[in-house]
Amino acid sequence: NAGVTQTPKFQVLKTGQSMTLQCAQDMNHNSMYWYRQDPGMGLRLIYYSASEGTTDKGEVPNGYNVSRLNKREFSLRLESAAPSQTSVYFCASSLQGDQYFGPGTRLTVT
Amino acid sequence: GQSLEQPSEVTAVEGAIVQINCTYQTSGFYGLSWYQQHDGGAPTFLSYNALDGLEETGRFSSFLSRSDSYGYLLLQELQMKDSASYFCAVRNAGNMLTFGGGTRLMVKP
Repeated sequence: NAGVTQTPKFQVLKTGQSMTLQCAQDMNHNSMYWYRQDPGMGLRLIYYSASEGTTDKGEVPNGYNVSRLNKREFSLRLESAAPSQTSVYFCASSLQGDQYFGPGTRLTVT
Repeated sequence: GQSLEQPSEVTAVEGAIVQINCTYQTSGFYGLSWYQQHDGGAPTFLSYNALDGLEETGRFSSFLSRSDSYGYLLLQELQMKDSASYFCAVRNAGNMLTFGGGTRLMVKP
């Protein structure tokens, strides 16, 4: 099992550009999550999906959109990137509460 | 709102025991989780306490007191590889996690 995979690993964007971060899990988990982590800080929830076909806002949803494409995949889209969105983005999945994280995407917006 | 407090940094020597405390204020509390994160890596799950008391997993133990809104992670027989950041996280309804700011543990020889 690969667990939770994320692509890309690194990305540099210019202000105003758009991009989609991809996440997939092969553990048959129902719930999936997107977090951002800024230097020296904890993780903040952007969006989550409790099950296929549902998505809800987390603590910091502004500037992001998500799609739960199927049970395996949960993507995060930045429509118009801003320097404040420079961060490390982690995707996670869970079945009964314990969350398992992907390796992260390091995004820089210049 | 929800808030979690944990020390920003702890230093200990190899072979010693260290305790990382976490206090929280939250509504709809289901339990307290602990995650480890090495520099440049992803958070990895360590433990979860839903009930009061001590849970032991090898060299790591985690404690919860719901009445005191307090928990701790205890690391025994410290090894250099334990140098990492440790996050407590409150689990709410819907299996949502709210994370603390993290405690950076430095293990010295």
